[in-house]
Amino acid sequence: AQTVTQSQPEMSVQEAETVTLSCTYDTSESDYYLFWYKQPPSRQMILVIRQEAYKQQNATENRFSVNFQKAAKSFSLKISDSQLGDAAMYFCAYRSEETSGSRLTFGEGTQLTVNP
Amino acid sequence: KAGVTQTPRYLIKTRGQQVTLSCSPISGHRSVSWYQQTPGQGLQFLFEYFSETQRNKGNFPGRFSGRQFSNSRSEMNVSTLELGDSALYLCASSLITGYAYEQYFGPGTRLTVT
Repeated sequence: AQTVTQSQPEMSVQEAETVTLSCTYDTSESDYYLFWYKQPPSRQMILVIRQEAYKQQNATENRFSVNFQKAAKSFSLKISDSQLGDAAMYFCAYRSEETSGSRLTFGEGTQLTVNP
Repeated sequence: KAGVTQTPRYLIKTRGQQVTLSCSPISGHRSVSWYQQTPGQGLQFLFEYFSETQRNKGNFPGRFSGRQFSNSRSEMNVSTLELGDSALYLCASSLITGYAYEQYFGPGTRLTVT
């Protein structure tokens, strides 16, 4: 079974600064997808960024980018120019291409605080 | 296009009762997945339905069940409620199951069991 680990329960960053959230995963599969989701206090899960394992190029969405290291099974999220609205719980998630349909396996989450 | 809707948003039940939660996916989406979120266990996959068939099931007891209707709306049922069932229940819809299709989450149903 796949597992996802987020070793930072809490992180904080100053507004306009850059922060990196860590995620590692364990899998024996070669085809899969990785995601970062954001859950603000409203509890609505919002997709931040997605990475296909077969793509070597790291995904980027505006101020959000990832560092995907397939061999190391590492998938970190970098938030540049942090904004107050980025404050939320961030979840790293794994989805198998091979076996599990749309099933997501989530990490424990990292609570991000943005200080003005 | 309307997002994923879940009803009710909040629910209080007593131990031993049963509860039914509803999820309406985005129009045209045929896959619906359910997740349980608790402070202790985090986010855990319950099951996924696609075209009225259970596609995948997580590691939950048989008290947790679900179904999907022909219009893709889904319900999940929890029988004989226990205190530990108190959680935020999230559903997510996607166009089809698997592949690279994005899942869109609903706002959740907060269930409190007393």
